[in-house]
Amino acid sequence: NAGVTQTPKFRILKIGQSMTLQCAQDMNHNYMYWYRQDPGMGLKLIYYSVGAGITDKGEVPNGYNVSRSTTEDFPLRLELAAPSQTSVYFCASRVPDGELFFGEGSRLTVL
Amino acid sequence: GENVEQHPSTLSVQEGDSAVIKCTYSDSASNYFPWYKQELGKGPQLIIDIRSNVGEKKDQRIAVTLNKTAKHFSLHITETQPEDSAVYFCAARTGGFKTIFGAGTRLFVKA
Repeated sequence: NAGVTQTPKFRILKIGQSMTLQCAQDMNHNYMYWYRQDPGMGLKLIYYSVGAGITDKGEVPNGYNVSRSTTEDFPLRLELAAPSQTSVYFCASRVPDGELFFGEGSRLTVL
Repeated sequence: GENVEQHPSTLSVQEGDSAVIKCTYSDSASNYFPWYKQELGKGPQLIIDIRSNVGEKKDQRIAVTLNKTAKHFSLHITETQPEDSAVYFCAARTGGFKTIFGAGTRLFVKA
């Protein structure tokens, strides 16, 4: 039981490049989330999903896209990367009315 | 939407002393209040939570109190140890899908 697995752990992008952050969970959780954490700041919700085929915007969705084709996977897509997207990204999952389980994070730098 | 404010941003205590972190929330419909601990390079992990039908909850050296009228909740750590040094986040959730986080408190426990 690996919990929530994120890849890659580190990535450097050039301005304008695109990439996908992968997130997978093996706990059969319906709810999945993407947060970003900027230095000295809390966790801001980017997108979330309450089940396969269902996604919705969080607090800071601009510049990102998500999809949820299976219960296990919830990838986050960055199109046209900008320096403002330099951050640590966390994926999390939970059951309804349960606690959030977080992955180890993906540290992204856009230069 | 929900807004969570957390204070202080940094807290330094001597080993053995108590530490208190305070949060306020804006949405009176919030009914679940978790606290997460984040160690360096890791994802946040739940340490204690409280629901709106309870005023206080304790787990060994950690306790959380909730004042629904004032929309305040607090984390209390007694007999602090060096391994308590970390970033702590409070959060609030309504009956819906989103968990909104405070900005975090960096706790230093000096040996």
